[in-house]
Amino acid sequence: DGGITQSPKYLFRKEGQNVTLSCEQNLNHDAMYWYRQDPGQGLRLIYYSQIVNDFQKGDIAEGYSVSREKKESFPLTVTSAQKNPTAFYLCASRQGKEGQPQHFGDGTRLSIL
Amino acid sequence: QKEVEQNSGPLSVPEGAIASLNCTYSDRVSQSFFWYRQYSGKSPELIMSIYSNGDKEDGRFTAQLNKASQYVSLLIRDSQPSDSATYLCAVKGDRGSTLGRLYFGRGTQLTVWP
Repeated sequence: DGGITQSPKYLFRKEGQNVTLSCEQNLNHDAMYWYRQDPGQGLRLIYYSQIVNDFQKGDIAEGYSVSREKKESFPLTVTSAQKNPTAFYLCASRQGKEGQPQHFGDGTRLSIL
Repeated sequence: QKEVEQNSGPLSVPEGAIASLNCTYSDRVSQSFFWYRQYSGKSPELIMSIYSNGDKEDGRFTAQLNKASQYVSLLIRDSQPSDSATYLCAVKGDRGSTLGRLYFGRGTQLTVWP
């Protein structure tokens, strides 16, 4: 089945540790996105990529890093510089054709140990 | 900064009623609008897209768009308890550095009671 796969579903981070969240899609979508959602809040854009080997900062990029070496993969690293990483992280992708909606993976819930 | 505002809710309606969810946006050039449903603890799911002024119907859902008033709404007819969720309005950026981005409202929580 075509879709967007995020892993792991739950992740725990220790102080000073970097962790990487995986996002893989087999929809042949050009654009991929990472959002953060805090309880009772809307979605905030962390990073996005509209083409392989290129990505742009969103509204809350500090403390995060990404890469886009393959079309199907867009991993997000939460670095130790992100002091409040506890949140629900959502990956989305979109066809390159103008006006197409984004579709979301099932999310990764990150907590501090 | 793009703004997407939704009525704050929570919204509570009885089963079988019409639920009306509203959204306004600040960027006049926006051309693409989406409604997502998000169940508690789950990821958002696309339920409607609308691009032209007027109404678009899909089953029990009707999206309404008025670009002159910068207003988009979602009507849910014959509401069911399974419609209880948070509904997110999203507006696509259509100028310069906003191209390819979606701007989300904070969502309206809907409860349908039996």
